[in-house]
Parts: sequence; structure tokens; C-alpha cells
Amino acid sequence: QQQVKQSPQSLIVQKGGISIINCAYENTAFDYFPWYQQFPGKGPALLIAIRPDVSEKKEGRFTISFNKSAKQFSLHIMDSQPGDSATYFCAASRNFNKFYFGSGTKLNVKP
Amino acid sequence: GAGVSQSPSNKVTEKGKDVELRCDPISGHTALYWYRQSLGQGLEFLIYFQGNSAPDKSGLPSDRFSAERTGGSVSTLTIQRTQQEDSAVYLCASSLVRDRTDTQYFGPGTRLTVL
Repeated sequence: QQQVKQSPQSLIVQKGGISIINCAYENTAFDYFPWYQQFPGKGPALLIAIRPDVSEKKEGRFTISFNKSAKQFSLHIMDSQPGDSATYFCAASRNFNKFYFGSGTKLNVKP
Repeated sequence: GAGVSQSPSNKVTEKGKDVELRCDPISGHTALYWYRQSLGQGLEFLIYFQGNSAPDKSGLPSDRFSAERTGGSVSTLTIQRTQQEDSAVYLCASSLVRDRTDTQYFGPGTRLTVL
């Protein structure tokens, strides 16, 4: 059973637009939900993370919205830039042990 | 400071051969993770080391896969009798796991190709 489901698989956004990527999880015991950004040939890098005791976290142009009752969380990239073009992964973990990753979203921001 | 390093960056091997992949975590990081990333796919958890605790090996796909972490630092992932389906990028990450707030830092990965 896939623990974390991510959509869409790919996304094309115009420069200045809002990119939205969604994830849903199964295990209510998860207590840490990070988002990672990966450029070709590089390892993933942490972008922003949230714990289930808050519904939203914002860092610059990046916002996580968290819906505990629906077991869903999403990444919003405001004022998307061509440099944001990358693959984004959501993940979930309990006590920083195993991390379960979504299948990834390839974002293309057109100039 | 230095990040997570992995070696080799690329490895091409023949089916049936054994391979060893190395991970040097960030100094002082107590947790170390191995993941596998197949082409265009997400990351698949393989194994997790935390301090002196027994590792969580529940993600290893078969008994051909094993990993060690010596002295709480360097880790080696060994794949015996490699198969073509083992072809993937193998990623290592480390974290401090202090107050459960620390970040996983990933290495650049080792691209394994089994011919």
C-alpha cells in the first residue's frame, strides 16, 4: 500500500503564476511532513516542512497547507519562477525513522 | 562545511557481480538513511541507522542487499549478485535528529547500471 500519494505527476505554470502540488497520506501516526526539491543530477534538498499541529507554514514564496482531518497536505509556490523548475517530492515520517516519499511532480515554469 | 558525499558517482557492472556503494555523512550526524530512486520515480526507503541502535532494515528489497555503518560514520551498501532491476540511483542522507527537527541532507547519489 502506497503510504503517500502525490499529484500531479507533471505541472506547467507560467512565470508569475501559482504552482500547487498535492499529497495525501494514510498513516495518522505520521508527525513530520517535508517537501523536497530535486534538480537533475542532484540529491533532493529540503524546501519546507510542517508538523500536524499547525495548518499552514510559509517561508518566502513557499507555503505548506495541512489538513489533518482529510490527511492531505499541499505545497504552494507563489510567483513561480523559471528557476523553480525541478522535481518536487512530498514525504511523511513518524519520529524521523522511515521516510515515505511521494512519486514526485516535475514542475516546468515557462518564462 | 562538507556535505554528504557518495562514491562512486557512477557504477556500471555486469549482472551477477557484487557492488559496494559508499556514503560519508556529515560529521556528527547520528542518523543515516539509504534510498533507491528508479528513473522518474520517487524515493524508496531501504535502511535507516540511528546512533548505536539496531538499524531498520525493513526496506531492503531482498537478502542480496545489506548495509553497514562503521564507527557511527561511514556506511557501505552492498548488493550481491546484481540484477538488471537493481539499476537505479542510490541516495544516502544524514541528519542530526536533535529534538526531531533536523533536516535530512542528501548526497548526490550513485548511479548504478547493471548490464
